[in-house]
Amino acid sequence: SQTIHQWPATLVQPVGSPLSLECTVEGTSNPNLYWYRQAAGRGLQLLFYSVGIGQISSEVPQNLSASRPQDRQFILSSKKLLLSDSGFYLCAWSPSGRITDTQYFGPGTRLTVL
Amino acid sequence: GQQVMQIPQYQHVQEGEDFTTYCNSSTTLSNIQWYKQRPGGHPVFLIQLVKSGEVKKQKRLTFQFGEAKKNSSLHITATQTTDVGTYFCAGPGANDYKLSFGAGTTVTVRA
Repeated sequence: SQTIHQWPATLVQPVGSPLSLECTVEGTSNPNLYWYRQAAGRGLQLLFYSVGIGQISSEVPQNLSASRPQDRQFILSSKKLLLSDSGFYLCAWSPSGRITDTQYFGPGTRLTVL
Repeated sequence: GQQVMQIPQYQHVQEGEDFTTYCNSSTTLSNIQWYKQRPGGHPVFLIQLVKSGEVKKQKRLTFQFGEAKKNSSLHITATQTTDVGTYFCAGPGANDYKLSFGAGTTVTVRA
């Protein structure tokens, strides 16, 4: 069966510090991968998606970036965090093909920027 | 672009009562998906509807896809405390390869 991991689970970072969040998927090949952000009590904002190694599509221009160095690894980064970057970051995967198929979410990372 | 709207934003329900939450799209959807997010948790896939007028049931949950494939509903009967959480609908547009999530309906239950 497929599993998705995210770490860390929680993170408190000062403004201006760098960020690296990691997501890995097991049990499937060539998945579509996604990064979402959820502000407290709000909906899901798609940040990036990837349909293959090295292929990244950005949905929202901001100080975040994403990379996919391996087939089942997706990384979210920032060089300098802003207060507005606080939120719940969710990684998700779906079977390869149309990215509008069912998505399976990881446990998430709660980021607080102070 | 395609937008998915959900109403109501909040639903306060007495335990044992029924309620319905609605999802509306500005464009025709090839499919509609429903997810549930428990407090402090992550969204979990519940169901996908594909056909016009489709109705699917999961125990006390009934999901319906509209005839025009532009709206959907989730009806919960005999609400229980385990139903607490936020329910999201999500759908793609006809020519849009992104999955757009509604803002969600947050359900609280009074015992």
